[in-house]
Amino acid sequence: NAGVTQTPKFQVLKTGQSMTLQCAQDMNHNSMYWYRQDPGMGLRLIYYSASEGTTDKGEVPNGYNVSRLNKREFSLRLESAAPSQTSVYFCASSDSELAYEQYFGPGTRLTVT
Amino acid sequence: RKEVEQDPGPFNVPEGATVAFNCTYSNSASQSFFWYRQDCRKEPKLLMSVYSSGNEDGRFTAQLNRASQYISLLIRDSKLSDSATYLCVVAWGAGTALIFGKGTTLSVSS
Repeated sequence: NAGVTQTPKFQVLKTGQSMTLQCAQDMNHNSMYWYRQDPGMGLRLIYYSASEGTTDKGEVPNGYNVSRLNKREFSLRLESAAPSQTSVYFCASSDSELAYEQYFGPGTRLTVT
Repeated sequence: RKEVEQDPGPFNVPEGATVAFNCTYSNSASQSFFWYRQDCRKEPKLLMSVYSSGNEDGRFTAQLNRASQYISLLIRDSKLSDSATYLCVVAWGAGTALIFGKGTTLSVSS
């Protein structure tokens, strides 16, 4: 039982490049989330998916898109990376009935130069 | 943005010490409260939920004061392995509305 997995673990991009962060969970959870964590800012929600087939914006969605590919997978895409998107990105999932208990992946450390 | 405020620390304590963290929240409609733990360069993990009646899990005790809008976490008999950042988390409405504090860093030394 791997829980929540994320790829890649590290990534360096140049300004304007695009990339997709992958997330998968094997806990049969309905809800999945993408957060970013910056020094001095805490965790902030980018997008979430309450169930397969639905996605909604969180607190800081600008510059990102998401796809809930199926119940297991939830990807985050940066279409044109900017230095302000340098951050640690965490994916999380939760059972819809215990939505407050979220299980996090190990994170992706992204640097945009 | 609805705020959750924590003292960032660091709190530097010797093994065996008792340490307490406080957290305040601004939204009086908040419904649920949690402490998450985050080790250095790792993902956050749920430590415990916080109930109005208070709750205890081994050496950890969490308290909620709704009238004053603050949450506390008490750690007794600190261990080296307790060194981490502790995140105060507040939620309301659907589970998507989790607001994380910036965290309080604890360093336990021998």
